[in-house]
Amino acid sequence: QITLKESGPTLVKPTQTLTLTCTFSGFSFSTSGVGVGWIRQPPGKALEWLVIIYWDDDKRYSPSLKNRITITKDTSKNQVVLRMTNMDPVDTATYYCAYTSPHSYAFTLWGQGTMVTVSS
Amino acid sequence: DIQMTQSPSSLSASVGDRVTITCRASQSINTYLNWYQQKPGKAPNLLLYGASSLQNGVPSRFSGSGSGTDFTLTISSLQPEDFATYYCQQSYTNLGTFGQGTKVEIK
Repeated sequence: QITLKESGPTLVKPTQTLTLTCTFSGFSFSTSGVGVGWIRQPPGKALEWLVIIYWDDDKRYSPSLKNRITITKDTSKNQVVLRMTNMDPVDTATYYCAYTSPHSYAFTLWGQGTMVTVSS
Repeated sequence: DIQMTQSPSSLSASVGDRVTITCRASQSINTYLNWYQQKPGKAPNLLLYGASSLQNGVPSRFSGSGSGTDFTLTISSLQPEDFATYYCQQSYTNLGTFGQGTKVEIK
C-alpha cells in the first residue's frame, strides 16, 4: 500500500524559506519511472502544480516558480524535500505531495496535505 | 505555459442528472489530460487519465472524452457522493497545469 505524508511548519514569516518533507512508503525511487510531485492550493482556490522529481533525479519546475523552488530526494529515507524561498502571504496554501507511477502521466496517489500560513 | 480552462465554474444538479464538464487547453495536448475529484478538506482523487481511461476503483458512471484541445468529463447519473469539485490537468508538458475547477452542487 502506497502512502505519502507531508510535514513541516504551519506558520512561516514573510521572506523566510519554507522547507516541507514528503515521507512515503510502499514504493521506492529505485523503481524506474517513479516520481513525486508537489502541488499547492490556496484557501478556496484551484490546484497549482509546483514541481516533480523522478527516480533518475530528473526535475521539472513550474516556470512561474522555478527561481524560488528546490526539490531533492533522499532515497535511503524515502523522503522528498521541497524548499521555497522568499515566502509571501500569497503563498499561504495547503501543500500536497503526490505520487506518479511508472509510465503514468497522472498523480495517482496524494498525501493528505499540510496547511502553511505566511504571516508576520 | 499551457493554460487549462474549465467550464462551467460551478453547476447545480440533482441526483440522477447527467452532468458534463468541459476543459479546454490553450494548445494541443493530444490525450494527455487527467480528471480529479476533490471533496472539501480532502486531497484530490484521480478519476480518469489519458482523457478517457478510468482509474482503478472509479465507478463506470464517470467517463471522459476528447483530444487535442477540447475535453469533457461526463457523470452519467449523478450520485450523492459525486457532489465535489472537479479539476482537469494537462500532462503533455510535465505533470503540469490544472484547470480552475468546476464545483458540482446540489440543486
